[in-house]
Amino acid sequence: GNSVTQMEGPVTLSEEAFLTINCTYTATGYPSLFWYVQYPGEGLQLLLKATKADDKGSNKGFEATYRKETTSFHLEKGSVQVSDSAVYFCALSEGGSQGNLIFGKGTKLSVKP
Amino acid sequence: GAVVSQHPSRVICKSGTSVKIECRSLDFQATTMFWYRQFPKQSLMLMATSNEGSKATYEQGVEKDKFLINHASLTLSTLTVTSAHPEDSSFYICSARVQRSGYGYTFGSGTRLTVV
Repeated sequence: GNSVTQMEGPVTLSEEAFLTINCTYTATGYPSLFWYVQYPGEGLQLLLKATKADDKGSNKGFEATYRKETTSFHLEKGSVQVSDSAVYFCALSEGGSQGNLIFGKGTKLSVKP
Repeated sequence: GAVVSQHPSRVICKSGTSVKIECRSLDFQATTMFWYRQFPKQSLMLMATSNEGSKATYEQGVEKDKFLINHASLTLSTLTVTSAHPEDSSFYICSARVQRSGYGYTFGSGTRLTVV
């Protein structure tokens, strides 16, 4: 079945450090891929997405590229801020009107000043 | 736009009682609502999918008689945890597909249920 595997947390970084959170997936078809962010006490918010191979999603300085050959969608940011502290979820959807989201376990990021 | 309001944010109840969680779409019509459960340090696990005006579709292993889902209108879906037990303590989140934005899903802020 479909699944998402992302790196275990927590990840602790200093401000302005480079961030990578690894995400790999298993899918039978051609899924769309997403990164969601959950700030403390809030619901999940879509951070970025990519719907086909080689697409790059980007938002708020975060980027992720849909790599079909490695079945990966790693999240990167060149310089993190304290305000980026949150839990990040990688997810996939097989798409279509019937698709629903399958999530990874989430990675907690803490950024220290 | 495309906001889902989820209430309550936190609830503590006694074993054997029932708890209702509401999710309302504030500025769009949610024909489909997803209910997830999140255990500590675990992923969000899909419990069920509800479509307005029809019975919910439950994922394998989810007790439909324990987790009652009602989606009677295009703006309201409810999850009722019946005869709650401590093992039902968890974080419950609803999500709606936002048709107008293509692949958009919007999430409620979650409900922390503690059964004592």
